[in-house]
Amino acid sequence: RKEVEQDPGPFNVPEGATVAFNCTYSNSASQSFFWYRQDCRKEPKLLMSVYSSGNEDGRFTAQLNRASQYISLLIRDSKLSDSATYLCVVNGGGGGNKLTFGTGTQLKVEL
Amino acid sequence: NAGVTQTPKFRVLKTGQSMTLLCAQDMNHEYMYWYRQDPGMGLRLIHYSVGEGTTAKGEVPDGYNVSRLKKQNFLLGLESAAPSQTSVYFCASSYLINMLQASEAFFGQGTRLTVV
Repeated sequence: RKEVEQDPGPFNVPEGATVAFNCTYSNSASQSFFWYRQDCRKEPKLLMSVYSSGNEDGRFTAQLNRASQYISLLIRDSKLSDSATYLCVVNGGGGGNKLTFGTGTQLKVEL
Repeated sequence: NAGVTQTPKFRVLKTGQSMTLLCAQDMNHEYMYWYRQDPGMGLRLIHYSVGEGTTAKGEVPDGYNVSRLKKQNFLLGLESAAPSQTSVYFCASSYLINMLQASEAFFGQGTRLTVV
């Protein structure tokens, strides 16, 4: 089983739609979780951290489910500019503490 | 602050040539990482470092060597480049929040390497 798994997509949605992505992780000791956005082979950029209580930033909401070992990202009122690849990132936990990236989910928002 | 800076931004190598990619961060971060990204694929961890003088293998370490002689620099070396190493290379750094948690990763702008 991969350490971090995501549905690669693509998710094609109309402008204004609500879309949700899930990401599962295998290490139950993981402590830090993030969502990144990557545009066309540019460097990934932090979208938001994911906290145990869930957190919201404008149209974006992130949730963490430790029992089922997954995190989610909800995008409301999708914009054309939201088209990108969304990467799930998990801190491995334990002595290693390295950050592990999922392969990303591609989102295409269309008119 | 410059953040994370990668040198060079672009490079074309001939098969068998060697080169070193430099990653420098000015944020005093403990952790540094080298990833490669191939078209249509996610980031794959090559090597990483949890502190000055220490390095560890990631998911795809073969054909690469690394060194972290100074905390702010993480070097990635290709001793004998192969066409399969054509890729975009990203360096990143993060800091330790506590024994169990690392911060988010801060990325450099990437190095586009072509091996012909």
